[in-house]
Amino acid sequence: AQKVTQAQTEISVVEKEDVTLDCVYETRDTTYYLFWYKQPPSGELVFLIRRNSFDEQNEISGRYSWNFQKSTSSFNFTITASQVVDSAVYFCALSSPEISNFGNEKLTFGTGTRLTIIP
Amino acid sequence: DAGVIQSPRHEVTEMGQEVTLRCKPISGHNSLFWYRQTMMRGLELLIYFNNNVPIDDSGMPEDRFSAKMPNASFSTLKIQPSEPRDSAVYFCASSLGVAGLAGVEENIQYFGAGTRLSVL
Repeated sequence: AQKVTQAQTEISVVEKEDVTLDCVYETRDTTYYLFWYKQPPSGELVFLIRRNSFDEQNEISGRYSWNFQKSTSSFNFTITASQVVDSAVYFCALSSPEISNFGNEKLTFGTGTRLTIIP
Repeated sequence: DAGVIQSPRHEVTEMGQEVTLRCKPISGHNSLFWYRQTMMRGLELLIYFNNNVPIDDSGMPEDRFSAKMPNASFSTLKIQPSEPRDSAVYFCASSLGVAGLAGVEENIQYFGAGTRLSVL
């Protein structure tokens, strides 16, 4: 069975501070994908990133960076110089390719971390 | 490019009424997913389709829920009769599903804005 744990329920930081959101996952599959989604106050779910299990290179996109470590089964997300617009609920998710010809991969979501950036 | 389009954005209905939620996936995507989000249970997958065919409906709560995908550009999720415990945000997502190693844009689920359902 797959599981995603986001132990931080809520985080508040002052604007311009750096903040890291933790994500720990469990899976028995050797091939899997990890995702981060953002859910702003308006409610939609916005895709941020996907990483493959065989690619442990860290990724940076502007103020966002992701640290993937298979040794600790973690896929942490850091926001540098946070801004008020970063306030949202962030979800980490895991999927494994099904044994099928479809390629559909069910997402297992964590419970989310509510991030509040204080102006 | 248009994203996943859901309607209505908000629905308020009375217990016992039929509710129909609609979804238009991203053009060219072959997989469609329905999720439900509640405070108690988080995000749950209800059902997903591949090439308009339901593949796994094990997440559908009970017989009151049904989903259809008559063509590649439209899907519905119906609740009949609705109950107060069905109150939640319902999301539709679509993806370009491919077997094997996924390319940059493949096997990524893009979500609609959701439908907030309130059953009184």
